[in-house]
Amino acid sequence: DTAVSQTPKYLVTQMGNDKSIKCEQNLGHDTMYWYKQDSKKFLKIMFSYNNKELIINETVPNRFSPKSPDKAHLNLHINSLELGDSAVYFCASSQERFRSYEQYFGPGTRLTVT
Amino acid sequence: AQSVTQPDIHITVSEGASLELRCNYSYGATPYLFWYVQSPGQGLQLLLKYFSGDTLVQGIKGFEAEFKRSQSSFNLRKPSVHWSDAAEYFCAVAPEWGDYKLSFGAGTTVTVRA
Repeated sequence: DTAVSQTPKYLVTQMGNDKSIKCEQNLGHDTMYWYKQDSKKFLKIMFSYNNKELIINETVPNRFSPKSPDKAHLNLHINSLELGDSAVYFCASSQERFRSYEQYFGPGTRLTVT
Repeated sequence: AQSVTQPDIHITVSEGASLELRCNYSYGATPYLFWYVQSPGQGLQLLLKYFSGDTLVQGIKGFEAEFKRSQSSFNLRKPSVHWSDAAEYFCAVAPEWGDYKLSFGAGTTVTVRA
């Protein structure tokens, strides 16, 4: 059973489109995250949710909007896609919000904007 | 804010040889320290973590890391590498209190030659 899954694995789209990436974890964790990994493999946190509550919201464009329908799911919607949004997006989860940094990562979604 | 430096961008090592990856952190107190590995096309997997106590920590896949407070370092080692160890390795740091975000280094690419 996959612990943290993401769909789709690859996403190719044109500038200006709106797209969503879905993430699900079956570990029973309370906290979920979205990371962006750029072409130089630099990994930076974007958002974090704890029990459907937004707890980390880094400086990302308003075009990015996370949504957590329940604590097992964290989706990422991106409006008006730009070339600079091309990256690999990772979802992760951890057992608890406080002092628990053992994060389990999904396989990533490679987004290519043309 | 904390930061992480991985001085080596790329390391090539022969199969069976030893491996050491360097990590230096900048933080006012002792942070929590982590090493993650990313195999090609995969998400990140936690190798080991240091919170407190014994400064030599053992991880999965035969890896170990040593915390040296005087040098602000948390170097990763493996006595004998296998071809499957070829991957990207990330050092990460998180504060003990307050901000619950992981900050990642830029990563070190390890190539294993036969």
